[in-house]
Amino acid sequence: EPEVTQTPSHQVTQMGQEVILRCVPISNHLYFYWYRQILGQKVEFLVSFYNNEISEKSEIFDDQFSVERPDGSNFTLKIRSTKLEDSAMYFCASTMFVGAYGYTFGSGTRLTVV
Amino acid sequence: KQEVTQIPAALSVPEGENLVLNCSFTDSAIYNLQWFRQDPGKGLTSLLLIQSSQREQTSGRLNASLDKSSGRSTLYIAASQPGDSATYLCAVRPGANSKLTFGKGITLSVRP
Repeated sequence: EPEVTQTPSHQVTQMGQEVILRCVPISNHLYFYWYRQILGQKVEFLVSFYNNEISEKSEIFDDQFSVERPDGSNFTLKIRSTKLEDSAMYFCASTMFVGAYGYTFGSGTRLTVV
Repeated sequence: KQEVTQIPAALSVPEGENLVLNCSFTDSAIYNLQWFRQDPGKGLTSLLLIQSSQREQTSGRLNASLDKSSGRSTLYIAASQPGDSATYLCAVRPGANSKLTFGKGITLSVRP
């Protein structure tokens, strides 16, 4: 079964550093998402991306965050200057069409900011 | 604003028991609802997707029902096994082009 692939599985970074989280969505999917889950809390939406532009973003997704689809396969989340509170599991997801299809999630990147 | 609640937060049952996991949501105008499984430190595995026009979906020992008018969904697990131990999350999509709103999940432990 097709999978959403995320790398790295775990990243440790110093506060103030930039990190890039990478995702390879399922090849024929058109809609891409980033969610995050702080330890012990709900999975929360960050941003959705379609047709090479952001279609929706949450209030969490401030100027420190950006997303990019640099080529036909990768989808990246960049955090410019990490804070301690950015420590979380970050999930990439994709879907073929909105609505009728469910989401497929990747296995996540655990980001630890020290 | 849509809120999704899953109670209790944790559940422990003996192997072989049939069980029901509950999910409630505040706004009944949903497009679909998805149940996920999450193993510790791992990603989200989709279990079942129910469209707003459907009443239930089945996959193997799992059956999910949806009652939009009362804002409730249940995930029924038949003949539970230790391998079913995980956290089960439900998530609702309010519109066709909307993000998912998640509950906090129910952590299930099935004792051998």
